[in-house]
Amino acid sequence: GAVVSQHPSRVICKSGTSVKIECRSLDFQATTMFWYRQFPKQSLMLMATSNEGSKATYEQGVEKDKFLINHASLTLSTLTVTSAHPEDSSFYICSPRQRTSYNEQFFGPGTRLTVL
Amino acid sequence: SQKIEQNSEALNIQEGKTATLTCNYTNYSPAYLQWYRQDPGRGPVFLLLIRENEKEKRKERLKVTFDTTLKQSLFHITASQPADSATYLCALGPPSYNTDKLIFGTGTRLQVFP
Repeated sequence: GAVVSQHPSRVICKSGTSVKIECRSLDFQATTMFWYRQFPKQSLMLMATSNEGSKATYEQGVEKDKFLINHASLTLSTLTVTSAHPEDSSFYICSPRQRTSYNEQFFGPGTRLTVL
Repeated sequence: SQKIEQNSEALNIQEGKTATLTCNYTNYSPAYLQWYRQDPGRGPVFLLLIRENEKEKRKERLKVTFDTTLKQSLFHITASQPADSATYLCALGPPSYNTDKLIFGTGTRLQVFP
């Protein structure tokens, strides 16, 4: 299967700071990147979808100015949580897609964000 | 709006038995449905995909059924092992094949005891 990495795996920050999460597809080119958020004992919630070189499309209720997504290359996408607050503490997971193939979807290992 | 339900209660079974997990959905007609395994603190790992025109799909000890009339999918693990202990997520594909968006259930935690 495809190899997807996320960095950092865990981050603890103070309220008001910004945190950048990197997602890399190591052995394929991701034309589309999905970013998910998962709260404890809840389902994965899609935050936004981005296509390489274009602006991300955000799901309803997700603030685009707070969660900045950059998909500048086919192997790297970043999610920046700006001015993080305790309610942003969650598990963030990326999912790159090579193309619309309707087969298995690969996920990154996730990033645990804790905002104090 | 669409709703997807998985048994929120943990499923505890003895090693060697068959585990059966349920995924029900309403107000939706997915073109396909997927099952994933998620271990604590990790991202989901794909297991099986079944399309709307398929009744059953198998992969080694795993079997998935899809009943579009009942709007239900069953996920079976035969000869279960302690290593199968994890949370299993059901995910609905979109109604058409022009997008990749998935809708995830909350998952069912499976615990297999030796």
